[in-house]
Amino acid sequence: RKEVEQDPGPFNVPEGATVAFNCTYSNSASQSFFWYRQDCRKEPKLLMSVYSSGNEDGRFTAQLNRASQYISLLIRDSKLSDSATYLCVVRNTGFQKLVFGTGTRLLVSP
Amino acid sequence: EAGVAQSPRYKIIEKRQSVAFWCNPISGHATLYWYQQILGQGPKLLIQFQNNGVVDDSQLPKDRFSAERLKGVDSTLKIQPAKLEDSAVYLCASSLNKGTSGELFFGEGSRLTVL
Repeated sequence: RKEVEQDPGPFNVPEGATVAFNCTYSNSASQSFFWYRQDCRKEPKLLMSVYSSGNEDGRFTAQLNRASQYISLLIRDSKLSDSATYLCVVRNTGFQKLVFGTGTRLLVSP
Repeated sequence: EAGVAQSPRYKIIEKRQSVAFWCNPISGHATLYWYQQILGQGPKLLIQFQNNGVVDDSQLPKDRFSAERLKGVDSTLKIQPAKLEDSAVYLCASSLNKGTSGELFFGEGSRLTVL
């Protein structure tokens, strides 16, 4: 079983739609959680951290369910510029290694 | 502020040849990472340095891959001999203080094609 699992998509949505991505992780001792964004043929960049209480940054909402080992990202009012791959990232114990999921590809169309 | 610099951006070699990639992290970042990203997959950590010491190289194929960060600043990743399955983007990243905040700053990557 992969440490971090995501549906690769692609998710095709129209502008203005709300879309949600899910991610599951296998290591119950994982400490921290993040979403990164990667544009086509570009490097990954941190989108937002995921806190236990849930957190919001503009149109983006991230939630964590430790009991189910599940992380989500909700994007409201999708823009064309949101088209990218969204990588779920988990920090494990020990050397604090960041483990990346495969990513979920989002395509927003006019 | 200058970002993470990597070179070369692209490299095409034949199998069994060798290749080296160079990375210069953001000034002051003690932690440096090399990730391998195969098309359609997420980045996979190959090696993590804290200053000039290795803290995790558990997924580095040590029979063919090597990496060093001699002066605790820039780093090189070498593959010798290359295999077809090494075709990937090699991403270098750096962070402050072991990346406690979760924010890694990535370079643009070095795209390797092995024929």
